[in-house]
Amino acid sequence: DTGVSQNPRHKITKRGQNVTFRCDPISEHNRLYWYRQTLGQGPEFLTYFQNEAQLEKSRLLSDRFSAERPKGSFSTLEIQRTEQGDSAMYLCASSSRTSGKETQYFGPGTRLLVL
Amino acid sequence: EDQVTQSPEALRLQEGESSSLNCSYTVSGLRGLFWYRQDPGKGPEFLFTLYSAGEEKEKERLKATLTKKESFLHITAPKPEDSATYLCAVQVNTGGFKTIFGAGTRLFVKA
Repeated sequence: DTGVSQNPRHKITKRGQNVTFRCDPISEHNRLYWYRQTLGQGPEFLTYFQNEAQLEKSRLLSDRFSAERPKGSFSTLEIQRTEQGDSAMYLCASSSRTSGKETQYFGPGTRLLVL
Repeated sequence: EDQVTQSPEALRLQEGESSSLNCSYTVSGLRGLFWYRQDPGKGPEFLFTLYSAGEEKEKERLKATLTKKESFLHITAPKPEDSATYLCAVQVNTGGFKTIFGAGTRLFVKA
């Protein structure tokens, strides 16, 4: 494994449906981040995990959004009752702290379109 | 409020025409500043991390510098393959690892 992987790469759903995305981080990385990116904007922080603990959540993460990282390995991001405004690229990144320094490496993203 | 602003929004260069991209930030405490490259439809690709004012990093035609209020990404003699969106991000030292991205600079290099 040489990078962060995300599945699916594309998802089209109807408004009101639930969707779930998966992220597999770089194997030795203990931190995992979720971001949302809309066209022409930079990624917006949603939440992050250190091992299996979810340590910080953005106010962008409404109660329709939930993220998990069981056993500190892969992570899932679920969106319930999707809305058209949820259409975006959902990015996952992972990192590890080495010698006091940390770099996040991103996956290819999951592009969500809500009709 | 913590904020990251990138300028210009878009930059059009001729091949070989050197220039700089700016990232200014206002944060309560800087843990680190990152530069990424993003191609259309793909995830950001890591370029550099800078941690303290005065620090510089180089990679091929790119050089990143950091002051207490801003960072510059200098592009020397760019080629068409350097065309991409360049993103700046800061990690805020608030006890967590929240990272704030700027909106990016879209760079177009014409042959």
